[in-house]
Amino acid sequence: EDQVTQSPEALRLQEGESSSLNCSYTVSGLRGLFWYRQDPGKGPEFLFTLYSAGEEKEKERLKATLTKKESFLHITAPKPEDSATYLCAVQARYNFNKFYFGSGTKLNVKP
Amino acid sequence: DTGVSQDPRHKITKRGQNVTFRCDPISEHNRLYWYRQTLGQGPEFLTYFQNEAQLEKSRLLSDRFSAERPKGSFSTLEIQRTEQGDSAMYLCASSLEPPGGVGNQPQHFGDGTRLSIL
Repeated sequence: EDQVTQSPEALRLQEGESSSLNCSYTVSGLRGLFWYRQDPGKGPEFLFTLYSAGEEKEKERLKATLTKKESFLHITAPKPEDSATYLCAVQARYNFNKFYFGSGTKLNVKP
Repeated sequence: DTGVSQDPRHKITKRGQNVTFRCDPISEHNRLYWYRQTLGQGPEFLTYFQNEAQLEKSRLLSDRFSAERPKGSFSTLEIQRTEQGDSAMYLCASSLEPPGGVGNQPQHFGDGTRLSIL
């Protein structure tokens, strides 16, 4: 069964303290892996799409990487405004109309 | 680009009542998705439209749930005879997929309708 697991569930960082969030997936052929940011009471906001192992994408303090079994979202020198829940989702080759989301990592960056 | 809008933002109803939610996608987006999200969980796929055609439905979508997208524009999600377990955030997303695309264009989400069943 296709599955997406994110860890840790919650992460508390001091401002400037870099860290990584993990997204492990099992899917029969990956077509795409997506990272979203979700603020409380809001819908998810698209960050990145990754398609193949070894691919990397960057945006400001965020960098997403992909291997054959997992993806990492690296946060460099985070600021309080980076506090949010980060979600990853996978799309399978055999059914690219469905997207499977993980439960997210809730990031709290303290000033 | 005014974004995806959902209405209402909050709905409180008694168990057994019917409710209907509306989603207005980004203009000209041809794909529209409905998801359900409960507290502490990620969105769960419910159904998907390509223009006006409903092409995929999750097993989560029981007979009490129905979705439409007349004329390929706005969409409605109706829940009949609501149950306590239906309490959740219902999210709508849209994307613009080129002809022959494989559905991996970024989805743009609305801020959802929060449903509370008394």
